[in-house]
Amino acid sequence: DSGVTQTPKHLITATGQRVTLRCSPRSGDLSVYWYQQSLDQGLQFLIQYYNGEERAKGNILERFSAQQFPDLHSELNLSSLELGDSALYFCASSRSSGRINEQFFGPGTRLTVL
Amino acid sequence: TQLLEQSPQFLSIQEGENLTVYCNSSSVFSSLQWYRQEPGEGPVLLVTVVTGGEVKKLKRLTFQFGDARKDSSLHITAAQPGDTGLYLCAGVGNSGYALNFGKGTSLLVTP
Repeated sequence: DSGVTQTPKHLITATGQRVTLRCSPRSGDLSVYWYQQSLDQGLQFLIQYYNGEERAKGNILERFSAQQFPDLHSELNLSSLELGDSALYFCASSRSSGRINEQFFGPGTRLTVL
Repeated sequence: TQLLEQSPQFLSIQEGENLTVYCNSSSVFSSLQWYRQEPGEGPVLLVTVVTGGEVKKLKRLTFQFGDARKDSSLHITAAQPGDTGLYLCAGVGNSGYALNFGKGTSLLVTP
């Protein structure tokens, strides 16, 4: 158990819909990262928050957004869903950024868009 | 984006055999991490290597960081079925923020 929790575990929805994925980081971790994992692309970095502020952006679509709340939990919002958004979405947390930046991953949310 | 290429992509071996998987890039990384992921679960951190030439051992697993900090290898001695999984390498770039992941090596160890 990494100490990172994600809900829900599975999500099935239809094209055009909007969903929210939730992540609670390990106790004491200020950084939260979101990743998307699909069979053909592997693990792709989406976005990072540090202590409530956006720190870095990766390959995140404009239809996707995220935020980190004062209690440090984070939500990833996916809207106008397309079939190609079906993937595993992982949240990870770390104490801080920097040269080492060891990240601990949650169990993931499997999103299926029909 | 600093790309990491892992090889081989798939590896199927029998229990007791040794194996090495590779992680290569043309970019220099501040550090490199190895993760193991089982189906439907999140990646689990195995080790972080920071210094060029560094070697770390974790039981039967030996990790090496290249002298130029552009590549790494993972060697498993006497593989066991419990070693089965997806092995991912991930590099921390100069920004010190997100991890750049390779696509992984899928390892199957049969009894």
